[in-house]
Amino acid sequence: KAGVTQTPRYLIKTRGQQVTLSCSPISGHRSVSWYQQTPGQGLQFLFEYFSETQRNKGNFPGRFSGRQFSNSRSEMNVSTLELGDSALYLCASSLWTRTAQNEQFFGPGTRLTVL
Amino acid sequence: TQLLEQSPQFLSIQEGENLTVYCNSSSVFSSLQWYRQEPGEGPVLLVTVVTGGEVKKLKRLTFQFGDARKDSSLHITAAQPGDTGLYLCAGEYNNDMRFGAGTRLTVKP
Repeated sequence: KAGVTQTPRYLIKTRGQQVTLSCSPISGHRSVSWYQQTPGQGLQFLFEYFSETQRNKGNFPGRFSGRQFSNSRSEMNVSTLELGDSALYLCASSLWTRTAQNEQFFGPGTRLTVL
Repeated sequence: TQLLEQSPQFLSIQEGENLTVYCNSSSVFSSLQWYRQEPGEGPVLLVTVVTGGEVKKLKRLTFQFGDARKDSSLHITAAQPGDTGLYLCAGEYNNDMRFGAGTRLTVKP
């Protein structure tokens, strides 16, 4: 079965702009989580959506937001981009909520560069 | 500071050598996972350990969960170039999954 897909794979923006990233989970998976990965901080949790509701949120400013649609596809938005937002943004899906008992499957990520 | 500290941060070895990487914390985790991430890909789950002192083997990889469930190690025997990648540990803590920054392993042929 198809894996998690993320679009676009690469994105270059300038400071102050906004960006929307998209994630299509594995068919049947209801949970989608978003992570930011940088060399210095590693993988940092942004938020989790389950059945169109935000279930959990990491310690990121309000410029980072997301949503989930009825087909479980998810988008995340970053407004007023800053240089420090340059990172690999990973999406992961799981059958149920994000715990060790429910394996997360990661997409290949969207590489965002802010100039 | 990271809840999970991984060491070493970078490791470069020759094919055939053995290695151990570590994942440490001062906090207790109900379970711990190891992932491998290759360039251009997302992390892929290798193993989940849930019991203190638990040892799991996956071919040439041996995973151990500390008795106090605060740390874990990954040992690779006779490393191969295909083992190259970023190894991440993740722990379940207060109903949340937290990741370490990873160990970047390079195995040279």
